[in-house]
Amino acid sequence: ETGVTQSPTHLIKTRGQQVTLRCSSQSGHNTVSWYQQALGQGPQFIFQYYREEENGRGNFPPRFSGLQFPNYSSELNVNALELDDSALYLCASSLLGLDTDTQYFGPGTRLTVL
Amino acid sequence: GESVGLHLPTLSVQEGDNSIINCAYSNSASDYFIWYKQESGKGPQFIIDIRSNMDKRQGQRVTVLLNKTVKHLSLQIAATQPGDSAVYFCAERSVVGANNLFFGTGTRLTVIP
Repeated sequence: ETGVTQSPTHLIKTRGQQVTLRCSSQSGHNTVSWYQQALGQGPQFIFQYYREEENGRGNFPPRFSGLQFPNYSSELNVNALELDDSALYLCASSLLGLDTDTQYFGPGTRLTVL
Repeated sequence: GESVGLHLPTLSVQEGDNSIINCAYSNSASDYFIWYKQESGKGPQFIIDIRSNMDKRQGQRVTVLLNKTVKHLSLQIAATQPGDSAVYFCAERSVVGANNLFFGTGTRLTVIP
């Protein structure tokens, strides 16, 4: 186990709704990255948070937003849900630095949009 | 753009044999590479990593080889066990931009008892 936890485990929403996913990072880590994994594909980078600020973003629209809190936990918010947003959402925590930045993943949240 | 690809989408091996999973990457600026194992319904699990200043790194039953000349990465698993059955991803990180990883599609390894 990595010590990275995510909630909820599963979630079902309908098109147009909003969703918030949560992630608690591994003890001692200061960075959280979020990834979207569609069925049968590799994870795709959404964004990363370091010291409560966005520290890089992938090719995702602005309706994907996030937060990082002082205890380094993080939220991923998705507005105006679309059917294609159905995926496994993964968070990974790390300690940002040159030699200690391995990303450790949580179990993911399975989001289904109907 | 950056891409990480795998030569073989599926691989079946007999229990006890060695497994080799290959990966090609396109960004010569990438400085860090990681292999992850993902079992059904779980998040990716870190296996082993290697930095671009190395050619080889060994762990417990696993070895990662990096050939920067041809931009190729491989994961060798010795004495493959049924518990090794999973999807394996290689991921790369570019020195440019944030500490984000680019993943390939993955290779499904099936170990035959």
